[in-house]
Amino acid sequence: GAGVSQSPSNKVTEKGKDVELRCDPISGHTALYWYRQSLGQGLEFLIYFQGNSAPDKSGLPSDRFSAERTGGSVSTLTIQRTQQEDSAVYLCASSSQGGVITFFGQGTRLTVV
Amino acid sequence: TQLLEQSPQFLSIQEGENLTVYCNSSSVFSSLQWYRQEPGEGPVLLVTVVTGGEVKKLKRLTFQFGDARKDSSLHITAAQPGDTGLYLCAGVASWGKFQFGAGTQVVVTP
Repeated sequence: GAGVSQSPSNKVTEKGKDVELRCDPISGHTALYWYRQSLGQGLEFLIYFQGNSAPDKSGLPSDRFSAERTGGSVSTLTIQRTQQEDSAVYLCASSSQGGVITFFGQGTRLTVV
Repeated sequence: TQLLEQSPQFLSIQEGENLTVYCNSSSVFSSLQWYRQEPGEGPVLLVTVVTGGEVKKLKRLTFQFGDARKDSSLHITAAQPGDTGLYLCAGVASWGKFQFGAGTQVVVTP
């Protein structure tokens, strides 16, 4: 696609429910990143995929968070048993080479009530 | 944990004035990026600086990377309302893992 596409743009969920957030990177980009941005905060690194290499999951805050990238393209970030502190904007980015982010998606605003 | 500190946190100026935003760390980065983010949008990359002491200009925006590659500044000349946004710096310490600052919210009023 022309840019990084994320869906849904907004998601309201009840505490304890599972949610899936989707990221469709720019075609041909081998690197994909997930970040979380809370109100008034900078971006918090979650996970990084680069080609066929094992992902860097060191930023995932708990085992309730997981992500996969199928076929080297679309990625899904899953949050199980959501908590109120998970409320944030989740941003996806991609680049044609690892180490230099070039494009971000618009983000998914997650609200846990 | 490498910490990137941005200052000021908030800046409100009149159109035509100049402003400078700072990004500081005690750690060395291989490169540093500046982004601008508008409400409801993802950050948009403005520039990447790689070499210590490097200065890059993008129209009215001037970016400088410190000699020791630990700090950077963004200077805007004759700010315009379109410059309003959240300015984020991001340091690249290792492949794929960026350290972002908390951002500086800039508001330029006509």
